Amino acid sequence: GESVGLHLPTLSVQEGDNSIINCAYSNSASDYFIWYKQESGKGPQFIIDIRSNMDKRQGQRVTVLLNKTVKHLSLQIAATQPGDSAVYFCAEGGGATNKLIFGTGTLLAVQP
Amino acid sequence: DVKVTQSSRYLVKRTGEKVFLECVQDMDHENMFWYRQDPGLGLRLIYFSYDVKMKEKGDIPEGYSVSREKKERFSLILESASTNQTSMYLCASSLSGARSEKLFFGSGTQLSVL
Repeated sequence: GESVGLHLPTLSVQEGDNSIINCAYSNSASDYFIWYKQESGKGPQFIIDIRSNMDKRQGQRVTVLLNKTVKHLSLQIAATQPGDSAVYFCAEGGGATNKLIFGTGTLLAVQP
Repeated sequence: DVKVTQSSRYLVKRTGEKVFLECVQDMDHENMFWYRQDPGLGLRLIYFSYDVKMKEKGDIPEGYSVSREKKERFSLILESASTNQTSMYLCASSLSGARSEKLFFGSGTQLSVL
């Protein structure tokens, strides 16, 4: 059979609905968090970032929420569009190193 | 806008060949990075550089080396390519500084080693 690790978690939403993509991070000392979008065949594209002195940050149609108590990060996309279909992944940084550590990603599938 | 350019979109090489992956950024960024991306494993850091002629190992440096002779260019070298190095390779850059900040990525090079 196939390896479980090859399957990305998938979020399927209807066009026009709001999407929420979740991420659990590992290091309580991390002080920087970032979301990327990666379309098929392309490199990751920056969406929004947040530092640990904030718990919410808004961009155009996107909001990032940070809950340091439970080490949880979420990306909210308002009025999801077909062009939002992609893999979304979070990354954390800071602590003892300034390197970013990436999650494995969530596939967002937008149904017309 | 920052542009990170990777010289090849697709490469097919044979086992044992020496492979060069080139990356150029045009925004005077201090930091440059090489990652590989494999299904289910996410992005893993191979090597990075904070300055010209400086390099540091990432999480999976075995089988790779790098070169940074000029600030804008960061090359990844596979000394003797093996089939387990078949992967998507992503170059990235960031402005500077000791604290974490956003990376700007190239479009990637899909390398197949036969």
